[in-house]
Amino acid sequence: AAGVIQSPRHLIKEKRETATLKCYPIPRHDTVYWYQQGPGQDPQFLISFYEKMQSDKGSIPDRFSAQQFSDYHSELNMSSLELGDSALYFCASSLDRGELFFGEGSRLTVL
Amino acid sequence: QQQVKQSPQSLIVQKGGISIINCAYENTAFDYFPWYQQFPGKGPALLIAIRPDVSEKKEGRFTISFNKSAKQFSLHIMDSQPGDSATYFCAANALSSGGGADGLTFGKGTHLIIQP
Repeated sequence: AAGVIQSPRHLIKEKRETATLKCYPIPRHDTVYWYQQGPGQDPQFLISFYEKMQSDKGSIPDRFSAQQFSDYHSELNMSSLELGDSALYFCASSLDRGELFFGEGSRLTVL
Repeated sequence: QQQVKQSPQSLIVQKGGISIINCAYENTAFDYFPWYQQFPGKGPALLIAIRPDVSEKKEGRFTISFNKSAKQFSLHIMDSQPGDSATYFCAANALSSGGGADGLTFGKGTHLIIQP
């Protein structure tokens, strides 16, 4: 069965640089979520989209933005990167805001 | 404020034993309680989930027990195996009240080690 696809899997950036993460949800899923997970931490909700419209925002810094495109894939844009942004970033998708299925994550390292 | 409190933080169980992880929640609007299993460097994988209209759900070696009045739920892993060694997260969501937009509220996680 198709799963949530995230790219890139690993990303290394310098401080103050910009990074873009991509997420391709499970086909026909209408909701996409972004989570940030620091080392040894639980996933923290950043933002979600339902039918290509921003649905809710969590603890997402102002330096971050996201959008969902017409093909339902989503991108998380992170600017002015800080050391503390180093984390695993997970995308999840669901149908009718039901069960969430997570991707494998994108590991961002900020040097 | 942690809306879903999970314990213990870490747990060591002998192979063949029963692993028990507990969670408690505050928000009475929560009506969906999944458990996720996460291996290092991997995404959380849905293990089993329960709705508050039942008190127990079993899938293979994994059982969720749910106590609505106490606002508590727990995961039991029977005949624990070394391959079960992972981090387990309980979570909660308020699906029926349209709260699914912000996804899940996670517990802090339990690092489970099954010793051979």
